[in-house]
Amino acid sequence: GEDVEQSLFLSVREGDSSVINCTYTDSSSTYLYWYKQEPGAGLQLLTYIFSNMDMKQDQRLTVLLNKKDKHLSLRIADTQTGDSAIYFCAEDSGNTPLVFGKGTRLSVIA
Amino acid sequence: DVKVTQSSRYLVKRTGEKVFLECVQDMDHENMFWYRQDPGLGLRLIYFSYDVKMKEKGDIPEGYSVSREKKERFSLILESASTNQTSMYLCASSPWGAGDTGELFFGEGSRLTVL
Repeated sequence: GEDVEQSLFLSVREGDSSVINCTYTDSSSTYLYWYKQEPGAGLQLLTYIFSNMDMKQDQRLTVLLNKKDKHLSLRIADTQTGDSAIYFCAEDSGNTPLVFGKGTRLSVIA
Repeated sequence: DVKVTQSSRYLVKRTGEKVFLECVQDMDHENMFWYRQDPGLGLRLIYFSYDVKMKEKGDIPEGYSVSREKKERFSLILESASTNQTSMYLCASSPWGAGDTGELFFGEGSRLTVL
């Protein structure tokens, strides 16, 4: 079945770039997503990428997709303390509910 | 903006009690979902529904049931709460149709403690 893997923790200094990585197994995924969960809140969609794209940039966020290796990454430039949160990768193959990774907790050190 | 509202942010119940978690969405979405979130385990799908009165089991349906009598409302029921059901419960909805990205819209979550 589908599976999404991501590391559980990442710690960076304020102002540095953060890179959160994700691997997925379903090669038929149409969309891949990054969700952000702030403390005590639900998940909010941060960005998504369609499977026929290699890269998507949105202000400080850059998403890279390597379909051959089934690898997705989220880069946050100039990381701020407000970026501290849990980031979830998710895939959508179109036939089943989204499959989520376990989430990466990003800690930003001032 | 899409709004998904979960009726209770925090609940404390006793073992054996019947627990209702309510979720309402205001964007006429066809699909609704219940997840539980536990540290180190991420999000696990309990049940989902593609239409009124329809329900599908997710990955961990044991000990739970659901009800969808109206399109906007999806309820999660714990018939007899147990301590291992202490968790954060997240409701979500999404539209269904060509052109939709499949994005899920989440509520704020309901943190349930079973004593």
